[in-house]
Amino acid sequence: DGGITQSPKYLFRKEGQNVTLSCEQNLNHDAMYWYRQDPGQGLRLIYYSQIVNDFQKGDIAEGYSVSREKKESFPLTVTSAQKNPTAFYLCASSIQGAVAKNIQYFGAGTRLSVL
Amino acid sequence: AQKVTQAQTEISVVEKEDVTLDCVYETRDTTYYLFWYKQPPSGELVFLIRRNSFDEQNEISGRYSWNFQKSTSSFNFTITASQVVDSAVYFCALEYGNKLVFGAGTILRVKS
Repeated sequence: DGGITQSPKYLFRKEGQNVTLSCEQNLNHDAMYWYRQDPGQGLRLIYYSQIVNDFQKGDIAEGYSVSREKKESFPLTVTSAQKNPTAFYLCASSIQGAVAKNIQYFGAGTRLSVL
Repeated sequence: AQKVTQAQTEISVVEKEDVTLDCVYETRDTTYYLFWYKQPPSGELVFLIRRNSFDEQNEISGRYSWNFQKSTSSFNFTITASQVVDSAVYFCALEYGNKLVFGAGTILRVKS
């Protein structure tokens, strides 16, 4: 089945620890995105990538890092610099990020909590 | 700056009632796209519709309909004869460049 797979579904982080959230897509989409969702708020863009080996900061990139070494993979690392990481993280992809009309398709999300 | 406002935080209806979810947007662009997504309890956002700013015709898909009014910068979503399975969080979004800006979402609870 084609789609976007996020893992793990639940993740716990200890103080001072970096954790990495996985996002894999087999839709052959060029662009990939990471969003953060907090209760009562919409989705906020963390990072996005339109092409392999290139990515741009979104609105709330501080405390996060990404890589895009393969077209199908866009992992997100939540670093110890992110002081309030507890949230629901959603990964999305679209066919061509540079074209305004593209639809983003989402994974099932990873819920990150701090121990 | 682009902004999307969904003023209704939460709506509760009884099954078979019609319900309208409001969306107001702000943009300086002359060409733009608007979206609605559904987020069921499972968490994954499901795409519902995309609308080009040049197309102001209303759209209907089964029990769903959308009213786009450029004059009032609104893109409202109506569910006719609501069902319990419609219970979810609904997000309106505006595309700019190659990114989406989302509203805060409206929680819809449909009771049987």
